[in-house]
Amino acid sequence: DQQVKQNSPSLSVQEGRISILNCDYTNSMFDYFLWYKKYPAEGPTFLISISSIKDKNEDGRFTVFLNKSAKHLSLHIVPSQPGDSAVYFCAASPYAGGTSYGKLTFGQGTILTVHP
Amino acid sequence: DAGVIQSPRHEVTEMGQEVTLRCKPISGHDYLFWYRQTMMRGLELLIYFNNNVPIDDSGMPEDRFSAKMPNASFSTLKIQPSEPRDSAVYFCASTGQPGYGYTFGSGTRLTVV
Repeated sequence: DQQVKQNSPSLSVQEGRISILNCDYTNSMFDYFLWYKKYPAEGPTFLISISSIKDKNEDGRFTVFLNKSAKHLSLHIVPSQPGDSAVYFCAASPYAGGTSYGKLTFGQGTILTVHP
Repeated sequence: DAGVIQSPRHEVTEMGQEVTLRCKPISGHDYLFWYRQTMMRGLELLIYFNNNVPIDDSGMPEDRFSAKMPNASFSTLKIQPSEPRDSAVYFCASTGQPGYGYTFGSGTRLTVV
């Protein structure tokens, strides 16, 4: 039972263009959503997050969009740079006070390659 | 702040041997998580602790796996006996604000031959 899904295993983009990574979830108890970036031989690092009370959060070149009715979120990277090439994981957390609070459920990851 | 420290970085062992992975969380973080990453299953949560107490171990695959957190600055994940299908990268993560993002260690790449 995969509650967080990233259906695109990989994405290839030209430098300077927009990268759009997608994520779907099934559990309506999820309240907070995060994106992590992972380089080879390193642990995942936190990138950006969004609360369920918002539909957009922006941080520099990175913007996360949340569509609660569709149970869908996306990460936009504009402009894309070769250094953005990495594996991107979306993750979801249940609401505070609920069971399993503190437990992040991750998607399978999407490999982003940005070509110079 | 040295971050979350895991050891060893790489472990190669023979099937049937005991393997112990170690983790030192960030000081002051009272949540600690063990994740496993494989190609097939991605990042899956094995177990997590709050204030050194195991809260959810539903992800621990079998009785061969056990985890302990004897104090706030140290945790172990033990596999006994190890099997080739246990080969994966094992990550430890910690946080002081659950649900708002963890800090991950660099992982231990385990190979069981």
